[in-house]
Amino acid sequence: DGGITQSPKYLFRKEGQNVTLSCEQNLNHDAMYWYRQDPGQGLRLIYYSQIVNDFQKGDIAEGYSVSREKKESFPLTVTSAQKNPTAFYLCASTQWGSGYGYTFGSGTRLTVV
Amino acid sequence: QQQVKQSPQSLIVQKGGISIINCAYENTAFDYFPWYQQFPGKGPALLIAIRPDVSEKKEGRFTISFNKSAKQFSLHIMDSQPGDSATYFCAASKALNFGKGTSLLVTP
Repeated sequence: DGGITQSPKYLFRKEGQNVTLSCEQNLNHDAMYWYRQDPGQGLRLIYYSQIVNDFQKGDIAEGYSVSREKKESFPLTVTSAQKNPTAFYLCASTQWGSGYGYTFGSGTRLTVV
Repeated sequence: QQQVKQSPQSLIVQKGGISIINCAYENTAFDYFPWYQQFPGKGPALLIAIRPDVSEKKEGRFTISFNKSAKQFSLHIMDSQPGDSATYFCAASKALNFGKGTSLLVTP
């Protein structure tokens, strides 16, 4: 079955540590996105990528980094510069262009310990 | 700047009632308006979507009403069920613009 796989489901980070969240899709979608979800804040865009080797910052990119070396993969690194990383992280993908809905992964819950 | 404004933030409806969630947008260039449903601990899933060339779209118990002149659209859930209890997000165009979500609770 086609879909988006996020791993791990739960992740714990120590202070000052970088962690990488994985996102893989087998839908042959062009565009991929990372969102952060906090209670009452909705979905806030971190980064997005329309094509391989290209990506753009979203509204809250500070403290995060991404790469897009393959069409199927869009990993997100939460760096030590992100001061409040505890949140639910969602990866999504879609065909680029208007009129296509997103397919979301099941999310990664990151907690700072 | 929030380009899609969603209300209410939370909603409690009795089983069998009608749930109504509203969204307003600003950019007249938006041409695709989806709604997503999210259960706790899960990613959002596309529920229903509409384009601005129609005023209403119905899929089962879910209906989108669209008012282009007012730049507003709404989700109606008819005969609401406890299993509909979830968070609902509206979005506009490529869904880079999400509303902040509505937490719906349907009581038995």
